[in-house]
Amino acid sequence: EAGVVQSPRYKIIEKKQPVAFWCNPISGHNTLYWYLQNLGQGPELLIRYENEEAVDDSQLPKDRFSAERLKGVDSTLKIQPAELGDSAVYLCASSPTGRSYEQYFGPGTRLTVT
Amino acid sequence: EDKVVQSPLSLVVHEGDTVTLNCSYEVTNFRSLLWYKQEKKAPTFLFMLTSSGIEKKSGRLSSILDKKELFSILNITATQTGDSAVYLCAVEAIQGTYKYIFGTGTRLKVLA
Repeated sequence: EAGVVQSPRYKIIEKKQPVAFWCNPISGHNTLYWYLQNLGQGPELLIRYENEEAVDDSQLPKDRFSAERLKGVDSTLKIQPAELGDSAVYLCASSPTGRSYEQYFGPGTRLTVT
Repeated sequence: EDKVVQSPLSLVVHEGDTVTLNCSYEVTNFRSLLWYKQEKKAPTFLFMLTSSGIEKKSGRLSSILDKKELFSILNITATQTGDSAVYLCAVEAIQGTYKYIFGTGTRLKVLA
């Protein structure tokens, strides 16, 4: 069974530029999460989807971050414009319905904003 | 403010040693506590704990939760170099919807 797929794995951009990250969850997993992880810190939830509905986006900085999960499968997280402080690893995770604790994480996208 | 605190921040041991990692928490409407292992890439799920005093065990790893004192421990016996990783503790809380609050992790290095 394929795991959670994310792309790109690494991205370097200049500040004020836009950037987008893509995630393909494990087949059949209805719940999808986007996390931000800074060096030496634990993951911080940005947004959680149940199918195509964003059920928790309270931690998403909506002035510059946006996300979508069309058709309830793949998801895209966008930052526009990026700031220096956005440099971090962006993790996508998915979990089976009713087993939210069993989150399967993707390899992450390491973003560097210069 | 909800918080999850892990200790120690880092630990270096030799193969064969036993280690105990700690996780304490203060959250509103606690539901469960989770342990993850994070190697070079993404975290992988280890345990979910919901009840006090019931040990969860998987091979050389075991964990227990104390809901009265608000903490959990993760034990690893007979450590191996492959156990080297960051161990993350996360607490699931119900606040309108369910949320996961992660600690900063304990970095474990096992020397041959």
